[in-house]
Amino acid sequence: DTEVTQTPKHLVMGMTNKKSLKCEQHMGHRAMYWYKQKAKKPPELMFVYSYEKLSINESVPSRFSPECPNSSLLNLHLHALQPEDSALYLCASSPERGADNEQFFGPGTRLTVL
Amino acid sequence: GQQVMQIPQYQHVQEGEDFTTYCNSSTTLSNIQWYKQRPGGHPVFLIQLVKSGEVKKQKRLTFQFGEAKKNSSLHITATQTTDVGTYFCAGDFGNEKLTFGTGTRLTIIP
Repeated sequence: DTEVTQTPKHLVMGMTNKKSLKCEQHMGHRAMYWYKQKAKKPPELMFVYSYEKLSINESVPSRFSPECPNSSLLNLHLHALQPEDSALYLCASSPERGADNEQFFGPGTRLTVL
Repeated sequence: GQQVMQIPQYQHVQEGEDFTTYCNSSTTLSNIQWYKQRPGGHPVFLIQLVKSGEVKKQKRLTFQFGEAKKNSSLHITATQTTDVGTYFCAGDFGNEKLTFGTGTRLTIIP
């Protein structure tokens, strides 16, 4: 199994809602990532987990809360988001942390905040 | 901050023509990766370049890493409709994370 799965594919939420994005991989990768991608822009790194521990937080607002329950799962908890947070949220994994590793991306969750 | 710029931003080519995108950094990179993102899709890894002056080929795609490790290029020979998408370079500044370039969107005129 060489794919990263993400659920849901699409999510529409209000600014007062709480929701979660889920990501899963079964490649035995020990590094997992959350990226945010706005239309016609490159992916922007949000968080990096290595061996289930948060290793990089790119100064992301606290309304985004990541969680890594185990080595195969990565969640992103959302609360009190703003309309400007609407974007494609991509999860990725790689064998180890480090930018010399190929990253495998999931299909993304397209989030709309009303 | 550390940035990676790509040119051109957009490229429209007739099917069968060649295509090149260029990636430039103001500081030396440890390595550079290239990804392709189809319309409505997600980034897919193409290749990684590590050595100064390195050249790698994948069928019609040729990747180069500059001698100073500050720039890179991707050249596609005889484009096909399946080449449509946005091509991103992603640089490693030695800080254990990838910094994606601004991307070049390729469209093919049949």
